[in-house]
Amino acid sequence: GAVVSQHPSWVICKSGTSVKIECRSLDFQATTMFWYRQFPKQSLMLMATSNEGSKATYEQGVEKDKFLINHASLTLSTLTVTSAHPEDSSFYICSARDQSRPTEAFFGQGTRLTVV
Amino acid sequence: DAKTTQPTSMDCAEGRAANLPCNHSTISGNEYVYWYRQIHSQGPQYIIHGLKNNETNEMASLIITEDRKSSTLILPHATLRDTAVYYCIAQNRFGNEKLTFGTGTRLTIIP
Repeated sequence: GAVVSQHPSWVICKSGTSVKIECRSLDFQATTMFWYRQFPKQSLMLMATSNEGSKATYEQGVEKDKFLINHASLTLSTLTVTSAHPEDSSFYICSARDQSRPTEAFFGQGTRLTVV
Repeated sequence: DAKTTQPTSMDCAEGRAANLPCNHSTISGNEYVYWYRQIHSQGPQYIIHGLKNNETNEMASLIITEDRKSSTLILPHATLRDTAVYYCIAQNRFGNEKLTFGTGTRLTIIP
């Protein structure tokens, strides 16, 4: 079945540094990918929609200059958390749809970011 | 997307059927009912979806009321591995549309 892979699974970084998270569709092409953030005991909140070859669309309240999204190919989207702070510590999850099987969304395994 | 309402939490004994309800009284005619689940510290997993007919797959069954205002996800023989948060989402079927997650139901399977 379709697989979406995220890397890394977890990362610890120092406050003020930047962290890049990769999301890959392993066996299908995805023109659109989605990035979610999830705080402990809360639901997934959509951060942005990543569009291949064009700018990402950010949800209200999400700083586009802080959360840089690049979707340079049909199988890879990256989320870079710039100048990370402890409040950015969260579980980040990406999602994509296989256009040949558009009825279900596939999710990565998530990336646990801890900023110290 | 239509708003969905689910109980915050439920318990179910291992081996019994788990029945998870969802209300979606404002669902529109072209919106499907989707169910996803999220096991702790993992990404969500698709379970099943339906429009108006009952659906069954290897994971679960979905029962949708005739007026489509509510539905029930049934896990026929719950195991400990079914402990997760279950999300009911109403959405159009096709396209590159984002999924909007509510609070879901935290299902705990009791040994």
